[in-house]
Amino acid sequence: EPEVTQTPSHQVTQMGQEVILRCVPISNHLYFYWYRQILGQKVEFLVSFYNNEISEKSEIFDDQFSVERPDGSNFTLKIRSTKLEDSAMYFCASSEAGLAGKHTQYFGPGTRLTVL
Amino acid sequence: LAKTTQPISMDSYEGQEVNITCSHNNIATNDYITWYQQFPSQGPRFIIQGYKTKVTNEVASLFIPADRKSSTLSLPRVSLSDTAVYYCLVGARMDSSYKLIFGSGTRLLVRP
Repeated sequence: EPEVTQTPSHQVTQMGQEVILRCVPISNHLYFYWYRQILGQKVEFLVSFYNNEISEKSEIFDDQFSVERPDGSNFTLKIRSTKLEDSAMYFCASSEAGLAGKHTQYFGPGTRLTVL
Repeated sequence: LAKTTQPISMDSYEGQEVNITCSHNNIATNDYITWYQQFPSQGPRFIIQGYKTKVTNEVASLFIPADRKSSTLSLPRVSLSDTAVYYCLVGARMDSSYKLIFGSGTRLLVRP
């Protein structure tokens, strides 16, 4: 069964450093998403991406965040200058389409980001 | 986006059927209802999705009444490994995006 994969599983970084979280969505999917979950809290939407551009972003997704699809398979989330409060699990998801009924999002296992 | 309300937690025993009900009074005509399961430190896992009446797959059933203002996820004969958080989601298409808004979910504890 196809699945979303994410690397690394755990990333430790110093405050102020840049991190890149990587995701390989399911191959025939066209919509890509990033979510985050701070320990003990809800899963929060960050950004959605379609046709090589951001289609929606939340207020969390400020200028420190960026996404990219550098090639035909990877989807990345970059945090330019990490803050302590960026420590969280980051989940990538993908869906076949954005239409109602075909938008089932499949999530990856997550990357645990720890900012020291 | 339709807001959902579901119980904070539920307890059950192995082998029992568990029904988790979700209220979504403001569901829109085009909205589908989707349930996810999440284990600690793992990504949400899709369980089932439906629009109306009843949907069944190999792991669960989803019951949706005619007014669609609520839905019930039914897990037959739960096991210890079904202990997880279950999320009910109702979303709206927004142009070319379909963001999911997660609530707090229902924390299901299955006891031996």
